[in-house]
Amino acid sequence: GAVVSQHPSWVICKSGTSVKIECRSLDFQATTMFWYRQFPKQSLMLMATSNEGSKATYEQGVEKDKFLINHASLTLSTLTVTSAHPEDSSFYICSAPRAGRTSDTQYFGPGTRLTVL
Amino acid sequence: QKEVEQNSGPLSVPEGAIASLNCTYSDRGSQSFFWYRQYSGKSPELIMFIYSNGDKEDGRFTAQLNKASQYVSLLIRDSQPSDSATYLCAVNIERGSTLGRLYFGRGTQLTVWP
Repeated sequence: GAVVSQHPSWVICKSGTSVKIECRSLDFQATTMFWYRQFPKQSLMLMATSNEGSKATYEQGVEKDKFLINHASLTLSTLTVTSAHPEDSSFYICSAPRAGRTSDTQYFGPGTRLTVL
Repeated sequence: QKEVEQNSGPLSVPEGAIASLNCTYSDRGSQSFFWYRQYSGKSPELIMFIYSNGDKEDGRFTAQLNKASQYVSLLIRDSQPSDSATYLCAVNIERGSTLGRLYFGRGTQLTVWP
């Protein structure tokens, strides 16, 4: 079954509003989570690293004041798109790494499709 | 963003054939390499990962890594129509960790026709 969930799975909002997306690890703790964005026909672009109990680390070119990340617990990271505009419409995906006995794996959430009107 | 290059395709092969997917990366410090499959509208699913030079086989899938050439490939034997998807190559550059940030290529769209 799914080990990383996202909520909501899709959202439509008006331009200028803020949208919060949640990412949860379901049966393991994740001190680190990653947020990606994918535009149509393009690949996943890493936006930021979410760190439990500390500030997120943003990739070059990603506006930290626009994409607010909060990792308040070991199983939950949230991404808030502030003052969303149509160009922010995209597929947002989180991932959580999990160390295993035989291999390490990053589990991806099912994604959140954001449409800004 | 670190550069990860893939042929965008589309790549079309008949059922039962071998599909060959290629990927090159720019950062020589890259530590681990991943192949994901992504169906339209869905998030990526891990197929295989490889850390060391050479081949790694898992069922119908074989990953090949050549760090000197900064090249990684995925072979799919006995291709099935259900293999039709976009295949994403991803690299992790972080030393000492296989769970670090991943940088993805644009993906290769594969179609397997009956």
